[in-house]
Amino acid sequence: KNEVEQSPQNLTAQEGEFITINCSYSVGISALHWLQQHPGGGIVSLFMLSSGKKKHGRLIATINIQEKHSSLHITASHPRDSAVYICAVPNTGNQFYFGTGTSLTVIP
Amino acid sequence: EPEVTQTPSHQVTQMGQEVILRCVPISNHLYFYWYRQILGQKVEFLVSFYNNEISEKSEIFDDQFSVERPDGSNFTLKIRSTKLEDSAMYFCATMQGRQTEAFFGQGTRLTVV
Repeated sequence: KNEVEQSPQNLTAQEGEFITINCSYSVGISALHWLQQHPGGGIVSLFMLSSGKKKHGRLIATINIQEKHSSLHITASHPRDSAVYICAVPNTGNQFYFGTGTSLTVIP
Repeated sequence: EPEVTQTPSHQVTQMGQEVILRCVPISNHLYFYWYRQILGQKVEFLVSFYNNEISEKSEIFDDQFSVERPDGSNFTLKIRSTKLEDSAMYFCATMQGRQTEAFFGQGTRLTVV
């Protein structure tokens, strides 16, 4: 049973393309986190959101609590965006359920 | 920018040996977590720690695992007798409060041979 589902699992894009990664979850949450995992393995928090939309540079995250769905968008993608993007939701105990991640490769 | 520091970055150990993974959380954070990621798999929860005690643990976190905060700053994960299947990347994460942003360390890659 997967509490968090992401799609696609793998994504290859040309530099400059608009990218969308989707996340659906089955647990009730108050906030959802988007994380970025670099090839070396380190994890960086990109967004925490509980409603609406957040924007940080070329990254935009949206969430629809009623539909239990979130999307991460990257505008004007760049090779340095190549990483694994992970959706994570906390349970009532504040521990995360992680999605399987979306491996993004942006080709110059 | 505040950061969570993990040491060592990479540890190789023989099966059956004890290992201690260390994490220095951000100073005003109150919630601490250990997660692991076996190569090619998703990140899995191990244990959460709050107010100097374990608040939640997963099935993975059996008697071979323990956590403590020995000196009020370091947050450690000990594996008493390592098995081959303990080989993974171990991440420490900390949060200031519930429903706040999570900060992750860079991870410790543990290889059991």
